[in-house]
Amino acid sequence: NAGVTQTPKFQVLKTGQSMTLQCAQDMNHNSMYWYRQDPGMGLRLIYYSASEGTTDKGEVPNGYNVSRLNKREFSLRLESAAPSQTSVYFCASRRDYTVASGGGDTQYFGPGTRLTVL
Amino acid sequence: RKEVEQDPGPFNVPEGATVAFNCTYSNSASQSFFWYRQDCRKEPKLLMSVYSSGNEDGRFTAQLNRASQYISLLIRDSKLSDSATYLCVVISNTNAGKSTFGDGTTLTVKP
Repeated sequence: NAGVTQTPKFQVLKTGQSMTLQCAQDMNHNSMYWYRQDPGMGLRLIYYSASEGTTDKGEVPNGYNVSRLNKREFSLRLESAAPSQTSVYFCASRRDYTVASGGGDTQYFGPGTRLTVL
Repeated sequence: RKEVEQDPGPFNVPEGATVAFNCTYSNSASQSFFWYRQDCRKEPKLLMSVYSSGNEDGRFTAQLNRASQYISLLIRDSKLSDSATYLCVVISNTNAGKSTFGDGTTLTVKP
């Protein structure tokens, strides 16, 4: 079991360039999440996918798009990168998102993508 | 006001010390609570869930106080390897099950 994998690990972009961050999980989890973490700050939710075929905005969705390609994969796209998007991006997955299902499911995180936009 | 608030620290303690962190949450509908640990520039990892009755895992004890809307983490006999940032996580049933993370409390254990 690889858990949650992310590619690439590091990326440098110029302002205005686009790129897609890839995330995959092999734990058969229903829910997947994208977070960003700026230096000295906590995690902020960008987008999430409660289940295959659905996506919803999180706290800071502007400038990003997502695709839940299948149950395993959840990608994050920056259409026109800006310096304010310089951050560490973490993907996470969880068995089920609903509190009714127990709510206590652990989120498992990928190793992160360190993105710098010049 | 942030939905989940933590004292950022840093907490600098000697080896063997006991240290406690608190985390307050504003949403009274919050249902599930966790402590995660994050080492520098790495992904967060679950340290422990927090149950209503409180729970202990070795040197770590987590407590929940619903009336005052806070959770706590107590670390006894601190080790150098405990140096990390500790993140409080809250899940609310009014928030579609999304997790809300605190900004973290940084702990440095010194020899």
